[in-house]
Amino acid sequence: SQKIEQNSEALNIQEGKTATLTCNYTNYSPAYLQWYRQDPGRGPVFLLLIRENEKEKRKERLKVTFDTTLKQSLFHITASQPADSATYLCAPPSSNTGKLIFGQGTTLQVKP
Amino acid sequence: NAGVMQNPRHLVRRRGQEARLRCSPMKGHSHVYWYRQLPEEGLKFMVYLQKENIIDESGMPKERFSAEFPKEGPSILRIQQVVRGDSAAYFCASSLQNTGELFFGEGSRLTVL
Repeated sequence: SQKIEQNSEALNIQEGKTATLTCNYTNYSPAYLQWYRQDPGRGPVFLLLIRENEKEKRKERLKVTFDTTLKQSLFHITASQPADSATYLCAPPSSNTGKLIFGQGTTLQVKP
Repeated sequence: NAGVMQNPRHLVRRRGQEARLRCSPMKGHSHVYWYRQLPEEGLKFMVYLQKENIIDESGMPKERFSAEFPKEGPSILRIQQVVRGDSAAYFCASSLQNTGELFFGEGSRLTVL
């Protein structure tokens, strides 16, 4: 079955550093992958979508890569700020109806 | 343009009662998804609906749970005879097309006593 894996351990970094979060998927090849941010008690918010023919996508301080050979997506936040502290979810679509399958999420804590 | 509206935001039910959660998608969106999130866990897909049709209900428990998205009005997630294990946050999301980004509501938090 399709499986999505994200680092389950929280990632703690110092303000100003680059945060790198990993998303691995197995048993299928999604045509695209989305990343979301979720704050405690809130609904997820869309950040970026990257397609299989795109190696990299950027939006302000965010960068996402998509390696279809490794079956992995990396999510980078450069010049991190305490306001970036949240849980980040990767979500490729399922192979049949296209519904998004969410990883468990990685919690990022940026310390001032 | 109002976002995805979910209500109630918090709902308390006793075991055996029914819970009805409502979701109004963003204007113009015809694709609605329901996800469940248990404390400290990820979002688990439940059901995908379009107007008057259930497209994918592979994540719905076989009993007690049902969902609808009528031609008029909000989408409803209905849980009959609730049990303590149903306590969770239920999120609704909508999209313009089924390959696009999802817009989530703020969730309905169900507590079963």
